[in-house]
Amino acid sequence: AQRVTQPEKLLSVFKGAPVELKCNYSYSGSPELFWYVQYSRQRLQLLLRHISRESIKGFTADLNKGETSFHLKKPFAQEEDSAMYYCALRHDYGQNFVFGPGTRLSVLP
Amino acid sequence: KAGVTQTPRYLIKTRGQQVTLSCSPISGHRSVSWYQQTPGQGLQFLFEYFSETQRNKGNFPGRFSGRQFSNSRSEMNVSTLELGDSALYLCASSYGGAAQETQYFGPGTRLLVL
Repeated sequence: AQRVTQPEKLLSVFKGAPVELKCNYSYSGSPELFWYVQYSRQRLQLLLRHISRESIKGFTADLNKGETSFHLKKPFAQEEDSAMYYCALRHDYGQNFVFGPGTRLSVLP
Repeated sequence: KAGVTQTPRYLIKTRGQQVTLSCSPISGHRSVSWYQQTPGQGLQFLFEYFSETQRNKGNFPGRFSGRQFSNSRSEMNVSTLELGDSALYLCASSYGGAAQETQYFGPGTRLLVL
């Protein structure tokens, strides 16, 4: 069965420190992975997707099929990065996503 | 463009009742997906509609149903409400539902079942 795990419920780092939010998945097919973010009192929104190999707001994520991981990284965390982050896997076709439980990132001044 | 809108924003019902939630996608978007978010289960996919047809369905009982109209607006219905149906219901829209498209989420409807 398709499954996405995010082992950390809460991650606290200091401003300027590197941050890595972990995501592991289980999927029998060819996965499409995404990171979504929800800032305080805002809607859930797409941060980045692995097929685009993009860097958004300084965040990057690399799909590692061998380790079935899609960790989100940023070299220097900013206070405005504090938010809830969800890793998601899209399977089949259309917009059918499996979301992880989320990690709350808190960037301390 | 106006974002995805959902009505009502808050709803209180009692067990056994039924409820209908509405979602208006971004203009031009034809794919609408519904999700249930609870503290215990997180975000779970309910179903997706595209051009008035259900294209994907999650693992929810038949009490959960939906439909999409010709203008792409979508409704979801929950019959015989149970306490466990208390949740935030999110809808999201995209143009055609392809992987490279961005899915835009609405603010959600918070349902409380007493």
